[in-house]
Amino acid sequence: GAVVSQHPSWVICKSGTSVKIECRSLDFQATTMFWYRQFPKQSLMLMATSNEGSKATYEQGVEKDKFLINHASLTLSTLTVTSAHPEDSSFYICSARDRELRGLESNQPQHFGDGTRLSIL
Amino acid sequence: DAKTTQPPSMDCAEGRAANLPCNHSTISGNEYVYWYRQIHSQGPQYIIHGLKNNETNEMASLIITEDRKSSTLILPHATLRDTAVYYCIVRVEWEWGGATNKLIFGTGTLLAVQP
Repeated sequence: GAVVSQHPSWVICKSGTSVKIECRSLDFQATTMFWYRQFPKQSLMLMATSNEGSKATYEQGVEKDKFLINHASLTLSTLTVTSAHPEDSSFYICSARDRELRGLESNQPQHFGDGTRLSIL
Repeated sequence: DAKTTQPPSMDCAEGRAANLPCNHSTISGNEYVYWYRQIHSQGPQYIIHGLKNNETNEMASLIITEDRKSSTLILPHATLRDTAVYYCIVRVEWEWGGATNKLIFGTGTLLAVQP
């Protein structure tokens, strides 16, 4: 089945550091990827839609300058948490959907990575 | 906001069928229902999806009512490894800016399979 890989799986860094998280679709191409954030004991919250070759679309309340998204190829999207602070500590998860299934594309499921646990000290 | 409501938690005995309900009374005619599950500290795992017909795959069955206002996910023989939070999602197809295909997660159902 479709595989989405995230890297790193966990990261610990000092306050003020910028952290980049990668999301790769390993066996399919994705024009659209999605980034979520999940705090302990809460559900996933959609942060933004990453569009290959164009600007990301952010959900209301998500700071564009804080969470930089780049989707430079059909298999890679990156999320950079700039000047991270302890309140940015969370579980970040990406998802992607296969663009090649023409005709069926409209209902194909998204596949999720295993997430990146970010801890800011 | 999520377009679905689910009970916050359910228990099921190992080996028995687990039936997880979901209400989606505002679903539109061409919107699909998706089910995912999330085991602790992992990304969500796709289970099944459907439009109006019942669906079955190697993991589960999905029963959708005729009026499409509710559905039930059935795990035929639950095991301890099926303990997870199960999310029922109606995908957001369109917004004012065009097609979105976003998944908005609700709070899900925590299924605890008991030995």
